[in-house]
Amino acid sequence: EPEVTQTPSHQVTQMGQEVILRCVPISNHLYFYWYRQILGQKVEFLVSFYNNEISEKSEIFDDQFSVERPDGSNFTLKIRSTKLEDSAMYFCASSDLVSSPLHFGNGTRLTVT
Amino acid sequence: RKEVEQDPGPFNVPEGATVAFNCTYSNSASQSFFWYRQDCRKEPKLLMSVYSSGNEDGRFTAQLNRASQYISLLIRDSKLSDSATYLCVVSRGGTGGGNKLTFGTGTQLKVEL
Repeated sequence: EPEVTQTPSHQVTQMGQEVILRCVPISNHLYFYWYRQILGQKVEFLVSFYNNEISEKSEIFDDQFSVERPDGSNFTLKIRSTKLEDSAMYFCASSDLVSSPLHFGNGTRLTVT
Repeated sequence: RKEVEQDPGPFNVPEGATVAFNCTYSNSASQSFFWYRQDCRKEPKLLMSVYSSGNEDGRFTAQLNRASQYISLLIRDSKLSDSATYLCVVSRGGTGGGNKLTFGTGTQLKVEL
């Protein structure tokens, strides 16, 4: 079964540094998402992306965050200047139709020290 | 009021037991409903979509009551492998460029010998 893949599985960075989290969605999918989950808390929506532009973003997704689909396969999340509170599990997801259930990647654990 | 509310548990049940989880949601405009399963520190995985008429998938039965804004999940003949956190998830339905999911905090299930 095709799957969403994310790299790296764990990223440790110092406060103030930039990080890029990478995702390869399922190949025929058109809708892409980033979610995050702080340890012990619920999964929270960050951003949705379709047709090479952001379609919706949450309050969490401020100017420090950006997304990009640099080629036909990758979907990235960049955090420009990481804060301690950015430490979380970041999940990429994709779907083929707008109303289809989302398929989640296995996540990147980001630790900001 | 939380957008999606669940009893966090944990529910500790013996193998073979029947267990039921409930969930309420606050946005009456919600159109799509799901149960996801999340193992410790892993990605959410779709368990089943929830339809107004109720639906069953093997040992799992989901019900939706739109009038009460209430969703349920019933697990019959529980197995050790059912131990996980069960996430109630709602969305407005796919619109435009995406389908933002809103997650509950999850209900933890532990199935014991």
